[in-house]
Amino acid sequence: QSALTQPASVSGSPGQSITISCTGTSSDVGGYDYVSWYQQHPGKAPKLMISDVSNRPSGVSDRFSGSKSGNTASLTISGLQAEDEADYYCSSYTSSSTHVFGTGTKVTVL
Amino acid sequence: EVQLVESGGGLVKPGGSLRLSCTASGFIFRSYTLSWVRQAPGKGLEWVSSISSSSEYIYYGDSVKGRFTISRDNAKNSLYLQMNSLRAEDTAVYYCARRSTYNYRDWGQGTLVTVSS
Repeated sequence: QSALTQPASVSGSPGQSITISCTGTSSDVGGYDYVSWYQQHPGKAPKLMISDVSNRPSGVSDRFSGSKSGNTASLTISGLQAEDEADYYCSSYTSSSTHVFGTGTKVTVL
Repeated sequence: EVQLVESGGGLVKPGGSLRLSCTASGFIFRSYTLSWVRQAPGKGLEWVSSISSSSEYIYYGDSVKGRFTISRDNAKNSLYLQMNSLRAEDTAVYYCARRSTYNYRDWGQGTLVTVSS
């Protein structure tokens, strides 16, 4: 159960777009359309931002979008805002009927 | 409004045991798979365990298999995690999370477990 691989940090200026990658294997990311993305501010519980690769839960800004190609999923934040500064984690269902999280990415708004 | 409230965290010595609880409200508890997810200080999220709605399917992460036991009481709207043979590396905030299809839509505020002599 190795963690999915994410870049440690990504930064951008307000208004710009950034993309966070999440790389797994054919036993998790590549095998199922069950990739989700979570936002976590310091000292807070994670918040679901994207479900099932590209679905946005009610109440989540449409500036957040998700996609997947092969064993790599991606989260794109467009029109970056100061409030988007947080840690982001991907997660995938696995062939062992478990879940695995990504290593996490710190997003900094310059 | 969905609410998940964890309790039972605290300081325990290596080799010791602790039982975490998660009390739920705002949804039909018996209909959902529930999970425990933990986060060591300054580290990322780690999936720990899940239990299906009627407890027929239970899964564990490799790092806790054989030491932790997940259970639930649908009559009490409660989820539990019995943690035995605790190690320093089990120190973390433990979150209770409700699974909706294959996503974790709702989370508790977490309870801190510290394993130290």
